[in-house]
Amino acid sequence: QVHLVQSGAEVKKPGASVKVSCKASGYTLSGYYMHWVRQAPGQGLEWMGWINPYNGVTNYAQKFQGRVTMTRDTSISTAYLELSRLRSDDTAVYYCARQSSSAHDFFFDPWGQGTLVTVSS
Amino acid sequence: QAVVTQEPSLTVSPGGTVTLTCGSTSGDVTFGHYPYWFQQKPGQAPRTLIYDARNKHSWTPARFSGSLLGGKAALTLSGAQPEDEADYYCLLSYPGAGVFGGGTKLTVL
Repeated sequence: QVHLVQSGAEVKKPGASVKVSCKASGYTLSGYYMHWVRQAPGQGLEWMGWINPYNGVTNYAQKFQGRVTMTRDTSISTAYLELSRLRSDDTAVYYCARQSSSAHDFFFDPWGQGTLVTVSS
Repeated sequence: QAVVTQEPSLTVSPGGTVTLTCGSTSGDVTFGHYPYWFQQKPGQAPRTLIYDARNKHSWTPARFSGSLLGGKAALTLSGAQPEDEADYYCLLSYPGAGVFGGGTKLTVL
């Protein structure tokens, strides 16, 4: 069975960086693009970008370019999201989501359980 | 970048029919936007319901259907069940990016 398990909640100060992990099981990480989506408390979903774990190529939403880095370690089937220069409005639940079809860019299945990142002084 | 618009909230009676819509400030929504619909219940991660405007995920109940309607993407729920109460998000595909709508809170009452 395909699962994505994310790392635990984080509390960070403004200006710091956070790195969230997403461990894949039940399939080969390098075979499917991994996307990241975030959701601020009580707010909607926001697409952040994707990584192709096969070759490390990334595509970031314009809003996050310069602050976001998506990486992977295929040896441990894990994808990572790093967000730098954190601000209070980066407080959100961050989800990883597998793009389960090469023909459908945003067909996500499954999703990770989410990681709450709180940015507070 | 385009803004994707959805009704903030809708209410449907049990057994009733409701249509949620998804528009774009950049013009008509077309099949070229490959519209997606996601369902999210409180405290849970979202789940994909519809892709490419009208194709269903294997788990999507038959009472949900997707279409294009009047320049928008539409999600129709026919025969609403209490368990369909949730937030629904559409996503449109633009060159190099996906943009979510603000979501529709659907109440079954």
